[in-house]
Amino acid sequence: AAGVIQSPRHLIKEKRETATLKCYPIPRHDTVYWYQQGPGQDPQFLISFYEKMQSDKGSIPDRFSAQQFSDYHSELNMSSLELGDSALYFCASSLGDLSGANVLTFGAGSRLTVL
Amino acid sequence: AQSVTQPDIHITVSEGASLELRCNYSYGATPYLFWYVQSPGQGLQLLLKYFSGDTLVQGIKGFEAEFKRSQSSFNLRKPSVHWSDAAEYFCAVGENTGGFKTIFGAGTRLFVKA
Repeated sequence: AAGVIQSPRHLIKEKRETATLKCYPIPRHDTVYWYQQGPGQDPQFLISFYEKMQSDKGSIPDRFSAQQFSDYHSELNMSSLELGDSALYFCASSLGDLSGANVLTFGAGSRLTVL
Repeated sequence: AQSVTQPDIHITVSEGASLELRCNYSYGATPYLFWYVQSPGQGLQLLLKYFSGDTLVQGIKGFEAEFKRSQSSFNLRKPSVHWSDAAEYFCAVGENTGGFKTIFGAGTRLFVKA
């Protein structure tokens, strides 16, 4: 079965550079979520999209932006990278359910290292 | 706002022993509750979920969890742990804000000793 695809799997950038992470949800899933997981930390919710519109916003820095495209894939853009942005970035997708009963399927993550 | 508390940062059990991982939540109404498992360097995989109905839910890999409203708990259990169960376990709650946000607990790392 198709899963959530994230690219790239690994990315190394220097401070103040820009990075873009991509996420391709499971076919027919209309909701995408982005999480940031620092070393030994729980996944922190960044942002979610439902039907190509931003749905919820968490602890996403102003330097970060994201969008969901017409084919439902999503991109997370990170600018002016800082050392503290080094983390594993997970994308998850689900069928949208406004009640909150969303079962998330996670991708394998994109590991960003900022030097 | 909803919150999830996993009081145990790490737990060590012997292979074949029983396991219980604790999870407490804070939410005004009946929450949507989940347990996810994460192996090192991997994404999170859903173990089980509770939406309504029977308060004892069965999941994959022999795991089960019981929703106890009076205790605001959703503890994860397994009668006999296998070495392959060593991983990080996250309890999560689906936030009913009319949007989409799943909140995770801090996680409990399970170590299994032979």
